[in-house]
Amino acid sequence: GAVVSQHPSRVICKSGTSVKIECRSLDFQATTMFWYRQFPKQSLMLMATSNEGSKATYEQGVEKDKFLINHASLTLSTLTVTSAHPEDSSFYICSARSRVLVDTEAFFGQGTRLTVV
Amino acid sequence: AQTVTQSQPEMSVQEAETVTLSCTYDTSESNYYLFWYKQPPSRQMILVIRQEAYKQQNATENRFSVNFQKAAKSFSLKISDSQLGDTAMYFCAHSGAGSYQLTFGKGTKLSVIP
Repeated sequence: GAVVSQHPSRVICKSGTSVKIECRSLDFQATTMFWYRQFPKQSLMLMATSNEGSKATYEQGVEKDKFLINHASLTLSTLTVTSAHPEDSSFYICSARSRVLVDTEAFFGQGTRLTVV
Repeated sequence: AQTVTQSQPEMSVQEAETVTLSCTYDTSESNYYLFWYKQPPSRQMILVIRQEAYKQQNATENRFSVNFQKAAKSFSLKISDSQLGDTAMYFCAHSGAGSYQLTFGKGTKLSVIP
């Protein structure tokens, strides 16, 4: 199957700093990427949807100025958590879909565990 | 709006036995897809099986099969010959045919007991 690489897998940062998480589709062009947040023992909550070359669409309640999403190319999307606070600590997962490759399936990255201290 | 409901927070099954995980959904889409994803302790999301709503035949992937009842909006997952490696969180998910967004249920934690 198609591979989505997410980096870093773990990151610890100080409160007030910014953290960037990368999501790359390694062997296909990801026309659409999704960013999810998962709290311990809970489900995945969609944060935003990004299409290559256009602004991300954020779900209700997600601060777009805090969670900056960039999808500058067909193989790379980034999520930047700005001015991170302890309540931003969570597991963040990206997924990518391609209209060309297995149209209905989403491919997931390995996830990033963010801890803000 | 779409909703996905998994009413079993936790389940357990003896190794080699069969277990069924329940899922119901509500959707305004006329055409859509349903999925079961597995999330083991590594937290990597793995697609187990998918069903296209316009197909009446239930999807099957080796030991995994679904019982898709479209009128009842039910989409259960049956795991046969359960193995220790099946221990994981299982999420039921819905996606509209024109949209690529997945709506997830709250998940069922499955434990396979030796």
